Amino acid sequence: AQSVTQPDIHITVSEGASLELRCNYSYGATPYLFWYVQSPGQGLQLLLKYFSGDTLVQGIKGFEAEFKRSQSSFNLRKPSVHWSDAAEYFCAVGAFTGGGNKLTFGTGTQLKVEL
Amino acid sequence: EAQVTQNPRYLITVTGKKLTVTCSQNMNHEYMSWYRQDPGLGLRQIYYSMNVEVTDKGDVPEGYKVSRKEKRNFPLILESPSPNQTSLYFCASSLQRMTEAFFGQGTRLTVV
Repeated sequence: AQSVTQPDIHITVSEGASLELRCNYSYGATPYLFWYVQSPGQGLQLLLKYFSGDTLVQGIKGFEAEFKRSQSSFNLRKPSVHWSDAAEYFCAVGAFTGGGNKLTFGTGTQLKVEL
Repeated sequence: EAQVTQNPRYLITVTGKKLTVTCSQNMNHEYMSWYRQDPGLGLRQIYYSMNVEVTDKGDVPEGYKVSRKEKRNFPLILESPSPNQTSLYFCASSLQRMTEAFFGQGTRLTVV
């Protein structure tokens, strides 16, 4: 069965600083990988996804992520954080389970941005 | 506007009183799912549906039922809610297998 680990529960960065959120996955085949963001009181919004091809993927809001098969990682990065980026971030791995569209989520990383 | 709509957004109920949380999508998506979100546990899948009349259990199906009589609707039914079902629930839909999932705004359920 697939699993996702987000080792950092909380991260605090200063506005303008760079950001990296860690994500490690476990899955026997080529994974489908996603990063979602959840603002307070809101649903989840897709930031970016990796299915195949270029291992560095660009997303919305200036985010990018790099798939590293050798490290089973899919870390999210942003060069300069804005105060509006404060939210909870979820990494997810997609898998086929008898035809079902199953996403397995990590436990999330809460990002705080200091002004 | 393409969206997934859940109702109600907030619900407080008593133990044992049957309730239904509705979910509707206007994107003609085949796949729909229900998740619950609990602090420190992330999102866990309750049930999913591949198409009309095709549903299956996710990771935490106990205490829940679903139905998919129409492509656009995927209600979540709690026949006899218990306090351990107090949670934030999300409905999601996607066009095909492993494409982007679109999430509703969530339903915060409290069972007392």
